[in-house]
Amino acid sequence: QKEVEQNSGPLSVPEGAIASLNCTYSDRGSQSFFWYRQYSGKSPELIMSIYSNGDKEDGRFTAQLNKASQYVSLLIRDSQPSDSATYLCAVRRKRSSNTGKLIFGQGTTLQVKP
Amino acid sequence: SAVISQKPSRDICQRGTSLTIQCQVDSQVTMMFWYRQQPGQSLTLIATANQGSEATYESGFVIDKFPISRPNLTFSTLTVSNMSPEDSSIYLCSVEEWADFGQGTRLTVV
Repeated sequence: QKEVEQNSGPLSVPEGAIASLNCTYSDRGSQSFFWYRQYSGKSPELIMSIYSNGDKEDGRFTAQLNKASQYVSLLIRDSQPSDSATYLCAVRRKRSSNTGKLIFGQGTTLQVKP
Repeated sequence: SAVISQKPSRDICQRGTSLTIQCQVDSQVTMMFWYRQQPGQSLTLIATANQGSEATYESGFVIDKFPISRPNLTFSTLTVSNMSPEDSSIYLCSVEEWADFGQGTRLTVV
């Protein structure tokens, strides 16, 4: 089992729809969760972080965390063609000798069709 | 969050040579991390760099191939040694305090 799992996609949604991206993780002690957007040939860009169970909203983006189910998701409302990118889920492990490092999923490719 | 700057942003290198990548942060940070992203793949941690101690390498990465320096709390370098085409990747640095990245270094080995 991979430590962080995402469906590779592509996930295709029409413009204006809600895109739902999902991520599961295996380490129950994980404390911090991040979503990145990466355009082709570019560096990943942090778009959301979440640390507590529940929802966190920022503009058109909502991150949802369920630690009991070891599940984190990203919702993108009113999807735009410019949202077409690869979305990476990352998990930060609990503090230990490996404190601070991020474990990444494989990424989900999102295509928003006009 | 801090501004993380990397140099060079891209390079094309001959096989068998070495390239040193620099990572500069605009504030003091405890740990710095070096990641690799091979074409079409996700990010993989190479090593963790603490100031004043040797870097800690992840499984599959060794110091002889990827020597790292961390001379102070704002700077680190990663060297990719004796390069082969398989080393063609994006190399990224990050810091513990903020989960963001520099613009990365796109390396092509020919």
